[in-house]
Amino acid sequence: AQSVTQLGSHVSVSEGALVLLRCNYSSSVPPYLFWYVQYPNQGLQLLLKYTSAATLVKGINGFEAEFKKSETSFHLTKPSAHMSDAAEYFCAVSESGAGNQFYFGTGTSLTVIP
Amino acid sequence: DAGITQSPRHKVTETGTPVTLRCHQTENHRYMYWYRQDPGHGLRLIHYSYGVKDTDKGEVSDGYSVSRSKTEDFLLTLESATSSQTSVYFCATRQGENQPQHFGDGTRLSIL
Repeated sequence: AQSVTQLGSHVSVSEGALVLLRCNYSSSVPPYLFWYVQYPNQGLQLLLKYTSAATLVKGINGFEAEFKKSETSFHLTKPSAHMSDAAEYFCAVSESGAGNQFYFGTGTSLTVIP
Repeated sequence: DAGITQSPRHKVTETGTPVTLRCHQTENHRYMYWYRQDPGHGLRLIHYSYGVKDTDKGEVSDGYSVSRSKTEDFLLTLESATSSQTSVYFCATRQGENQPQHFGDGTRLSIL
């Protein structure tokens, strides 16, 4: 089975600073990769997805992520944090076949300091 | 998101009682999933469905059953609820293999 590791369960950044949330996965085949955001008392919303096209993927709200096969990583970045970015972020991996299951990381809680 | 409605949104019940959670979608997506979310564990898959009457177990399926008699509805049943099943439950749907999952707003279930 796949595993997804999100380094740092809590990340704090100052408003206007770079946001970097890390995600590493285990897969011997090219996976499909996703980042989701969850605001309090809400479901998960898709931020962006990688499905074997360009390795740099742009998402909503100014976020982007880069797929690096050699590092089995899919880190999420945003050049300048905004207060509204405070939320929980989840990385997810899916393989073709395999029952179409998703494998989620345990999440990273982002705090933005004014 | 993707026309997914979960009901009820909140429920409090007692240990030993049966509980059924409903997920209804209007997007005609083939795949549907039930997850539970607990602090420190992220989302864990309970059961999923890849078509009407086609379901399979996830990593935390013990104590749960599911049914899907129509494309749009996916029911999760706790036959005899236990306090360890207190959690937030999310339903998700997926159109196809390389597509993202779309999530409902969750059901907060407390078992006393």
